[in-house]
Amino acid sequence: AQSVTQLGSHVSVSEGALVLLRCNYSSSVPPYLFWYVQYPNQGLQLLLKYTTGATLVKGINGFEAEFKKSETSFHLTKPSAHMSDAAEYFCAVSPISGTYKYIFGTGTRLKVLA
Amino acid sequence: KAGVTQTPRYLIKTRGQQVTLSCSPISGHRSVSWYQQTPGQGLQFLFEYFSETQRNKGNFPGRFSGRQFSNSRSEMNVSTLELGDSALYLCASRRDRGTSDTQYFGPGTRLTVL
Repeated sequence: AQSVTQLGSHVSVSEGALVLLRCNYSSSVPPYLFWYVQYPNQGLQLLLKYTTGATLVKGINGFEAEFKKSETSFHLTKPSAHMSDAAEYFCAVSPISGTYKYIFGTGTRLKVLA
Repeated sequence: KAGVTQTPRYLIKTRGQQVTLSCSPISGHRSVSWYQQTPGQGLQFLFEYFSETQRNKGNFPGRFSGRQFSNSRSEMNVSTLELGDSALYLCASRRDRGTSDTQYFGPGTRLTVL
């Protein structure tokens, strides 16, 4: 069965510092991969997704993620954190075939320090 | 293009009551999924509807049910409410061109059970 692991339920970075949020998946076949962001009292907004092609995916708000099959990872990065990046981030997977079902990670709450 | 809308945004009920939540998907989207989000359990998949039929179901008791109408709008019903049903209920729609298709989330309905 597929699963998603997000290391670190809380991550703090200084404004201007690198943001790195980790996501590892467990699947016999690499799934489709997504990163979502959730601001307080709001729904989830898609940041980026990987389906096929280039393994480095660029998303909105300066975020990007790299699919590494050998490491079963899809870590999210941003070179320079901004105060407005403070939110909760969710990694999700969807199988490339079979029954459609998103599996979400437990989320990482990002805090940006002034 | 209007996004996914959910009504009501906030709801307060007492134990034993029942509740109906509504979701209007993005125009042209045929699939609607429902999720429950709580601090302890994270994002959990409830069910997915496509063309008025439940296509996938998560591991929730039968008190949780849903339906989809011919215009793709969906409702979710919870009967005999329990304190543990307090959560943010999120609806997501997608066009349904395959498992790589992006889900777009609504702002959620915050249900509080007293």
